[in-house]
Amino acid sequence: ETVLTQSPGTLSLSPGERATLSCRASQSVSSNLAWYQQKPGQAPRLLIYGASNRATGIPDRFSGSGSGTDFILTISRLEPEDFAVYYCQQYGSSSVFGPGTKVDIK
Amino acid sequence: EVQLVESGGGLVQPGESLRLSCAASGFTFSTYSMNWVRQAPGKGLEWLSYINYGSAAIYYADSVKGRFTISRDNAKNSLYLQMNSLRDDDTAVYYCARDHRSSWYIFDYWGQGTLVTVSS
Repeated sequence: ETVLTQSPGTLSLSPGERATLSCRASQSVSSNLAWYQQKPGQAPRLLIYGASNRATGIPDRFSGSGSGTDFILTISRLEPEDFAVYYCQQYGSSSVFGPGTKVDIK
Repeated sequence: EVQLVESGGGLVQPGESLRLSCAASGFTFSTYSMNWVRQAPGKGLEWLSYINYGSAAIYYADSVKGRFTISRDNAKNSLYLQMNSLRDDDTAVYYCARDHRSSWYIFDYWGQGTLVTVSS
């Protein structure tokens, strides 16, 4: 089974700054990689699928890149509502989530 | 507007059973595959089970295989999860999630979750 590793575990930034989150797979997942955002007490929300495709209604400050084993989620300028936990997920023949990166306010 | 509303959670003792429901609205339920995903308190997300639109394809995570059963009733726009032989480590918020059109296991809409607590 593919294992996903996310780094850093916590990212402390200020509003307006750029956030770069990493997700690494233990074996190639091609482009079968999605990103979700979860705020406290809420369900996850799909941000990115296919490594780089924004889901419906997702602002263009969110972008995804990568293929194979190394993926990046970039938030170009953090808005107050972006402080949350972000999970990457491998999909296709099965579903595996990474442990998450918490983006908190510096 | 797509809505998924889970119900049926609660406090049960180890070894007991529980049935979760997910009521869907705002889309043609019978044409979408569905999933259950859970999240233990303070932990990450764990996919549990998948059912395709016609119930012909069903899959489970190893952690629940043989204990949990997914099903659906397209006439009632409802998804179910029958959970038997519950253990302490099944304590979690359980979400139903709709599959995105483009691939299996991309979850484009989620319910608000229902809490299952397994404790003696």
